[in-house]
Formats: sequence, structure tokens, C-alpha cells
Amino acid sequence: EAQVTQNPRYLITVTGKKLTVTCSQNMNHEYMSWYRQDPGLGLRQIYYSMNVEVTDKGDVPEGYKVSRKEKRNFPLILESPSPNQTSLYFCASSFSLNSPLHFGNGTRLTVT
Amino acid sequence: GESVGLHLPTLSVQEGDNSIINCAYSNSASDYFIWYKQESGKGPQFIIDIRSNMDKRQGQRVTVLLNKTVKHLSLQIAATQPGDSAVYFCAELGYGQNFVFGPGTRLSVLP
Repeated sequence: EAQVTQNPRYLITVTGKKLTVTCSQNMNHEYMSWYRQDPGLGLRQIYYSMNVEVTDKGDVPEGYKVSRKEKRNFPLILESPSPNQTSLYFCASSFSLNSPLHFGNGTRLTVT
Repeated sequence: GESVGLHLPTLSVQEGDNSIINCAYSNSASDYFIWYKQESGKGPQFIIDIRSNMDKRQGQRVTVLLNKTVKHLSLQIAATQPGDSAVYFCAELGYGQNFVFGPGTRLSVLP
């Protein structure tokens, strides 16, 4: 089944403790992206990647890192999480920039 | 389930009626538009898309209308069913840019 898989689905952590949210897609998509979703604000892009080893900042990149060492994986790294990063995170992929995004089922992160 | 928006506009429709969900987009240069459906606890799911060289596109029970003059997009759902209850949002894409998403509308289907 074609899908984008994120892990974990739920994560509770404390301020400053480094964490990684994994994202993997099995559709051989070139483009991958991370979003956060907050009440009333909609989906905001954190980082995106046009291809392996090519990443770029989205609209809200502060406090996040990503890497794209392989085509299928695009992990999101929070080196020192803070409470304002408490949010619902989505990974997405698409064949190209100009085609529909396929989303994972989300990761609910709580930073205390 | 996951809360995707506590302050979203809500549209309530009777089961079997038609639903119309609207979206005002921001960039007059956007040339590709998508409607997504997001159910509680799930990621957004593609419904239908339209490019700027069209003003209407139909799918199964859904129709998207694009009015470039007033930068307006609408999603029509025919014979709305309980399974259509979700948050719906539009996304716009301009050349060389990334998708920009609208805040969404919650559709509630009444029995």
C-alpha cells in the first residue's frame, strides 16, 4: 500500500531533550515536506526537500532540523524542544512540487 | 481523536443535502489548487484538484469550481453522507513555490 509513515504517533517529552520524528514513504517520491498544524493556523511548512541531500527552510523552520540522506526517509529533528513546539506534525511527500501531497497520519508532540 | 482546529468555521448540513465549502485564496499567480479532507486522527487526504486553465472539475460526488477573477475556490459535495464529516481545506500553489494551505472548514453532517 502506498503510504507515508510517521513515528511515533504520540510523544511527550521535556524541554531540551533532543528528539527525532521519523518519516518514510514508499512511493519513490522526489519531494518531501514537514508541516505543523496548530488550532486556527492551518498547516505551516517547516522544511522541505526537493531530492536527496537537498533541503530548504519553509515558513517556520526555527528550532527544527531535517536531513534527506535517502530518498524514502525525511526525519524531523528537534535538538532542544521547547513548549512552543507542542503541536501536531505531518510529513508529506509528492512526485514533484507540482503534484498532490500525500500525508502521514501525524505525530502529536507535547513538550512540557 | 486529534483536534485539527478549535476555531474553525463550521458548516452543518442535513444528510442527503448538497454541501458547498468555500475558500478564498491569496495569490493571484497561483495556478494549481487542491481540496483536502481531514478526519479526526488522520492526515489530510486528497479529494480533487484543479489547474488555473480550468474553471470546473468533477469527481465522484464532488465538484471544484475556480473563479480566478475574485480568487475564490469552492468544493461542492453532492448528497452529503455521515462519512463526509471532516475538516476540509484548500491549498494553492504558485510557480516555483510551495503549497499554502487555508485554515479549513469543519463539515458536520446531521442525521
